[in-house]
Amino acid sequence: SQKIEQNSEALNIQEGKTATLTCNYTNYSPAYLQWYRQDPGRGPVFLLLIRENEKEKRKERLKVTFDTTLKQSLFHITASQPADSATYLCALTNRDDKIIFGKGTRLHILP
Amino acid sequence: ETGVTQTPRHLVMGMTNKKSLKCEQHLGHNAMYWYKQSAKKPLELMFVYSLEERVENNSVPSRFSPECPNSSHLFLHLHTLQPEDSALYLCASSQVLRPFNEQFFGPGTRLTVL
Repeated sequence: SQKIEQNSEALNIQEGKTATLTCNYTNYSPAYLQWYRQDPGRGPVFLLLIRENEKEKRKERLKVTFDTTLKQSLFHITASQPADSATYLCALTNRDDKIIFGKGTRLHILP
Repeated sequence: ETGVTQTPRHLVMGMTNKKSLKCEQHLGHNAMYWYKQSAKKPLELMFVYSLEERVENNSVPSRFSPECPNSSHLFLHLHTLQPEDSALYLCASSQVLRPFNEQFFGPGTRLTVL
């Protein structure tokens, strides 16, 4: 069955360091991969989208890589800040625009 | 704020009640979505509307009934729910349905079924 795996354990990172989150998928052929941020009691907020033919995308302190051979995306936050603490969701969309989400990874940036 | 509002924010209902969730988007978008987010499970897409027409129903039980009277409003009518339907129900909108584009989510309705 189609599946997205994200780090199930919370990730604790020291302020100022780079946080790296992983998204692996199986039995899916994505046309796009997206990363969302979700704070407690709020809906997800779109951060970045990367297409299947793109290797890397950047936006300010965020960087996403996409390796369709490894079926993996890495999401990096450089110079991390306590305000970056949240749950980060990975989502895949195929060519029929069907979207599936991962369970998310909780990130804690420690001051 | 994302431009997508949902009411109520919290709802407690019995299994025999009938209630409705409301979503409104102020972004001029043409596509709207209902999602269910249960604890320790991924976000699940329930329904998709494009220009007020339902285009996707992901095997959702009939006790959930969506309605889209215009492109700015989306409802989810609930009746005879089960305790396992307790979850966060999220509404989202996007400019168009295809090709895929950024979705804007509302804050959600936290539903508890007793």
